[in-house]
Amino acid sequence: AQSVTQLGSHVSVSEGALVLLRCNYSSSVPPYLFWYVQYPNQGLQLLLKYTTGATLVKGINGFEAEFKKSETSFHLTKPSAHMSDAAEYFCAVTRTDSSYKLIFGSGTRLLVRP
Amino acid sequence: DSGVTQTPKHLITATGQRVTLRCSPRSGDLSVYWYQQSLDQGLQFLIQYYNGEERAKGNILERFSAQQFPDLHSELNLSSLELGDSALYFCASPRDTHNEQYFGPGTRLTVT
Repeated sequence: AQSVTQLGSHVSVSEGALVLLRCNYSSSVPPYLFWYVQYPNQGLQLLLKYTTGATLVKGINGFEAEFKKSETSFHLTKPSAHMSDAAEYFCAVTRTDSSYKLIFGSGTRLLVRP
Repeated sequence: DSGVTQTPKHLITATGQRVTLRCSPRSGDLSVYWYQQSLDQGLQFLIQYYNGEERAKGNILERFSAQQFPDLHSELNLSSLELGDSALYFCASPRDTHNEQYFGPGTRLTVT
């Protein structure tokens, strides 16, 4: 069965500091991997995705993530945090041989200190 | 704007009642996915429809059912509601073959 683990339910950084949100996945087949962001009282917005090809993927708002098969990881990074980045971030995996339903991690709430 | 619409935005009802949540996918998308977001269970997949037919089922309770109509909008029916059914319910529709899913704004259900 597929699963996603997000280390750290809360991450706090200072404005301008590096953002690192961790995601590890488990999948018996090549996965598609996604990061979504959820701002308060809003829906989920796709930040970036990995399907095939280049393992370093760039997304919106300056975020990027690197697919590391050997480590089964897909960590999300941003060089410099902005106050507007404060939100909850979800890593998700989907199998490429099924209905493509998303399996989500438990989420990481990012707090940005001024 | 994802192009996925959901109504109503908020719903407050009592235990034992039945409600219907509505979702319209992006224009041209044949697939609709339903997800539940709760404090206890996090975000979990409920059910998927494709062009009117059920394609996949997740952790959906027997009290819950869904359907997709010829115009491709979908409805999620929740019956015999319990306090624990209070949650955000999202629908999503995919774009292109990689199935990146685009989410609607959600319906917040409160059962009192």
